[in-house]
Amino acid sequence: GENVEQHPSTLSVQEGDSAVIKCTYSDSASNYFPWYKQELGKRPQLIIDIRSNVGEKKDQRIAVTLNKTAKHFSLHITETQPEDSAVYFCAASIWNGGATNKLIFGTGTLLAVQP
Amino acid sequence: DTAVSQTPKYLVTQMGNDKSIKCEQNLGHDTMYWYKQDSKKFLKIMFSYNNKELIINETVPNRFSPKSPDKAHLNLHINSLELGDSAVYFCASSQVRTFTYNEQFFGPGTRLTVL
Repeated sequence: GENVEQHPSTLSVQEGDSAVIKCTYSDSASNYFPWYKQELGKRPQLIIDIRSNVGEKKDQRIAVTLNKTAKHFSLHITETQPEDSAVYFCAASIWNGGATNKLIFGTGTLLAVQP
Repeated sequence: DTAVSQTPKYLVTQMGNDKSIKCEQNLGHDTMYWYKQDSKKFLKIMFSYNNKELIINETVPNRFSPKSPDKAHLNLHINSLELGDSAVYFCASSQVRTFTYNEQFFGPGTRLTVL
């Protein structure tokens, strides 16, 4: 089955710096890659997602890149702010537009943005 | 106006007991999920229902039995609770909007502690 590895497990950056979190997936059939943010004691929330027919997607300070050949995808956060501090999860799935989407999550990255 | 709600928020119980967690979504979504998040924050899918029909059933002990009385509700009953069942259980729901959009909305979680 699908396996998703995520690195680093913890990341500390200074406010204003960039943060990069990397994930690797095992199943080459995977075609949907969302990123979820979970603040302490809260629920996971989708922040950005990408399908395999796209190499990069941006939304303000957040961007995701995908390398299908290497089976890598990454989350980039620019101009980090203290409110970006949270656990970030990558996920992968084989999704063909059906109602149910089985997400396999990475192990999470605890991002701490130091003011 | 909570989108996905769960009850109870906290559940403390003795080993061997039977307990239930309830989930309701008012988003009109067709698909609902149960996830387990362990003490290391690892997030793993357990079940998925689409229009009251079980679609995803991961390798979960049969002590766990989901039940969906209607598409807005997905409950989780756990028999003969064990220490290893201690975790945060998240309910989620989703609805396919486009071929590129399938956000899963998570509930606030239920922290289960088995003593």
